[in-house]
Amino acid sequence: DAKTTQPTSMDCAEGRAANLPCNHSTISGNEYVYWYRQIHSQGPQYIIHGLKNNETNEMASLIITEDRKSSTLILPHATLRDTAVYYCIVRPTGTASKLTFGTGTRLQVTL
Amino acid sequence: EAGVTQSPTHLIKTRGQQATLRCSPISGHTSVYWYQQALGLGLQFLLWYDEGEERNRGNFPPRFSGRQFPNYSSELNVNALELEDSALYLCASSLLSRDNYGYTFGSGTRLTVV
Repeated sequence: DAKTTQPTSMDCAEGRAANLPCNHSTISGNEYVYWYRQIHSQGPQYIIHGLKNNETNEMASLIITEDRKSSTLILPHATLRDTAVYYCIVRPTGTASKLTFGTGTRLQVTL
Repeated sequence: EAGVTQSPTHLIKTRGQQATLRCSPISGHTSVYWYQQALGLGLQFLLWYDEGEERNRGNFPPRFSGRQFPNYSSELNVNALELEDSALYLCASSLLSRDNYGYTFGSGTRLTVV
């Protein structure tokens, strides 16, 4: 599976957009980009995933660069409840395989 | 729809004992994954079961084992417990044919070895 690189931590003011970057320069053409988050001591929560097109759901937007070597998760209006560790993961499509979690980005939303 | 349920929520064992952790997947999900998360560390993949068979195993010693039952629920067994086995054990489930939609995780079992 391709490796991902994320900043260790980020801060965001409540109500502002949180933009979390992820580098996956060795991604293959058949690998999806997934985002999960883990709020303290809970199980990780699926947020969104994409292959090459930008994606949006009720939680977030995922912007993938044209060369697919990086992506950005956008939380449009961050709240205190969005404080969590955010994981960016790449994983092949078409075959079921494990998700390999890295160290993620610790997002702290402040008043 | 019920989510992934894990039991017990907390478990305290003595070094050398055995621990059994249980996981019930979302109805209709056939794959179950187990992860270990030691305090302050990331999630480490342990085991993956699908249709009753072990499909993949992480870099853990053989005293970590498990099984999946015909109803797709799963057990994780840890024998000869060591202090460093203290961790949050997370179970996730997915439907293999829709695996691109990711996993759903349970809330975990916190195992403490004393």
